[in-house]
Amino acid sequence: DSGVTQTPKHLITATGQRVTLRCSPRSGDLSVYWYQQSLDQGLQFLIHYYNGEERAKGNILERFSAQQFPDLHSELNLSSLELGDSALYFCASSVDPNYGYTFGSGTRLTVV
Amino acid sequence: ELKVEQNPLFLSMQEGKNYTIYCNYSTTSDRLYWYRQDPGKSLESLFVLLSNGAVKQEGRLMASLDTKARLSTLHITAAVHDLSATYFCAVDAGGNTPLVFGKGTRLSVIA
Repeated sequence: DSGVTQTPKHLITATGQRVTLRCSPRSGDLSVYWYQQSLDQGLQFLIHYYNGEERAKGNILERFSAQQFPDLHSELNLSSLELGDSALYFCASSVDPNYGYTFGSGTRLTVV
Repeated sequence: ELKVEQNPLFLSMQEGKNYTIYCNYSTTSDRLYWYRQDPGKSLESLFVLLSNGAVKQEGRLMASLDTKARLSTLHITAAVHDLSATYFCAVDAGGNTPLVFGKGTRLSVIA
């Protein structure tokens, strides 16, 4: 157990639907990062939050949004889902990049 | 824009042999990370390399960083089947820039 908790582990949903992925960082880590992993695109950065504030945004679609709550857990909302959104979604947390980044076990999203 | 290139992308090695995976990156950075991923699983941190000339070893794996050449290597010594996995390098350019990953090297160790 890495200490970064992601739920759910698997999600199957239909096109056009909306889902919420949840991430709880390791105790003490203020930063949360979201990544999407697909076979064709590899690991793509989506968004970074630090202590509730958005710090950096990657190639995140407008249909996707995220937030980090006062208790530091984060949620990634994906709406108007398309088949191409099927992927593994990871969150990672960090207290300091000099100590590295710890990844959760991921949420496997399948859009049918 | 930071780009990270790994090679080879696929590697099939015999047990007992040595091999090196290369990771090149395009902009200045003093922080580089290596991860291992088993199919469908999470990314497991292997090494954090923080300065020029850094070398770290764990078991049959050794990683090094040359910031002047913008190059890191992951050397595998006397490969065993349990090392079969995908290995990623990732580079942190600092500030609010995100961690950028290479495409990964899929390693298969065969008897």
